[in-house]
Amino acid sequence: IVMTQTPLSSPVTLGQPASISCRSSQSLVHSDGNTYLSWLQQRPGQPPRLLIYKISNRFSGVPDRFSGSGAGTDFTLKISRVEAEDVGVYYCTQATQFPLTFGQGTKLEIK
Amino acid sequence: QITLKESGPTLVKPTQTLTLTCTFSGFSLSTSGVGVGWIRQPPGKALEWLALIYWDDDKRYSPSLKSRLTITKDTSKNQVVLTMTNMDPVDTATYYCAHTASMVRGVPLSWGQGTLVTVSS
Repeated sequence: IVMTQTPLSSPVTLGQPASISCRSSQSLVHSDGNTYLSWLQQRPGQPPRLLIYKISNRFSGVPDRFSGSGAGTDFTLKISRVEAEDVGVYYCTQATQFPLTFGQGTKLEIK
Repeated sequence: QITLKESGPTLVKPTQTLTLTCTFSGFSLSTSGVGVGWIRQPPGKALEWLALIYWDDDKRYSPSLKSRLTITKDTSKNQVVLTMTNMDPVDTATYYCAHTASMVRGVPLSWGQGTLVTVSS
């Protein structure tokens, strides 16, 4: 399954919202009824970190300014108010079908 | 607190076999539903999923690399080992291991810091 993210780069102003889109080449609805779409954040020089799993579930310790939505093949990660620590690359990933695949990444930077 | 740490050679020659070890704490690979996966990231590029192993020894591999990969676990040592044969310069990457679970179908939940492996003669 091919994951395509837009935009590839997103300059945002501190305190303003940001949005990243992810589209899959086929539906991510699993036969068990779940949709295994997740979002990861990779800050500069750091390993990735899980933010959101199964479309909209925030992982432990993730601030509530991060939210996920979508269904089927179209998904969105939203940051309600961007903070300086949010700078980095964001990846969507699917686990509905092996092998797991990742989007090409969206670089979030401050204007 | 879950921690994972990757270890292995930083430099391998083309055609050699790479062996990486993931040593973890904070969870047990004998617990139902638990797994450990490997993901790599070439410098400046995106993530690529490689393999994972579950508590019941169920193993999954990337189809494009399956012939070169082997994943094993040593539950008593809290370790998972990944071997990759016939290394090539295009395999130069940071290799990460990650804790995962069957309830999320292998999505990496907690990551190690990664280890950079360079393939060069």
